[in-house]
Amino acid sequence: DAKTTQPTSMDCAEGRAANLPCNHSTISGNEYVYWYRQIHSQGPQYIIHGLKNNETNEMASLIITEDRKSSTLILPHATLRDTAVYYCIVRVGYGNKLVFGAGTILRVKS
Amino acid sequence: SAVISQKPSRDICQRGTSLTIQCQVDSQVTMMFWYRQQPGQSLTLIATANQGSEATYESGFVIDKFPISRPNLTFSTLTVSNMSPEDSSIYLCSVESASGSNYEQYFGPGTRLTVT
Repeated sequence: DAKTTQPTSMDCAEGRAANLPCNHSTISGNEYVYWYRQIHSQGPQYIIHGLKNNETNEMASLIITEDRKSSTLILPHATLRDTAVYYCIVRVGYGNKLVFGAGTILRVKS
Repeated sequence: SAVISQKPSRDICQRGTSLTIQCQVDSQVTMMFWYRQQPGQSLTLIATANQGSEATYESGFVIDKFPISRPNLTFSTLTVSNMSPEDSSIYLCSVESASGSNYEQYFGPGTRLTVT
């Protein structure tokens, strides 16, 4: 599985959009980009995933560059409850393990 | 999405003993995974457990230390054997769920293990 690079930490003001970047320059054509988050002491929570098109769901939007070497997770209106570690993971679709890196600690501040 | 429960939610055990962690899913799933999260660290996959076959272990993890059962499509257990303080971690199970061509993994709440 391709490796990902994320900033160690980010701060965001409550109510503003949180934009979390991820680099995956060695991603292969059949690998998806997945985002998970882990709120303190809980199991990781699935957020969103995509292959090459931008994706949006009730939680977030995922913007993938045309060359697929990087992506951005957007939380449109961050709240204090969005404070968590966010993991960007690339993997082939079905049945493959998730390889977790260190992730980005997002702190949402009032 | 799948709803996953784990038992126990936490435990404190003495070194040299063993603990069996249960993972129950509210729907039938083919693939289940067991992860470990050591204090202050990210998640590391221990093994993949498919119903009807032996579990597949990742490098650094062996069946004698972490035996896994997968008796049916909604249940699995992970045993942490002959525990030492280094085994103090959060243990999480996850399942693969398919919706059309989309595949997502969902995680249980975890079992927090402290070995004294």
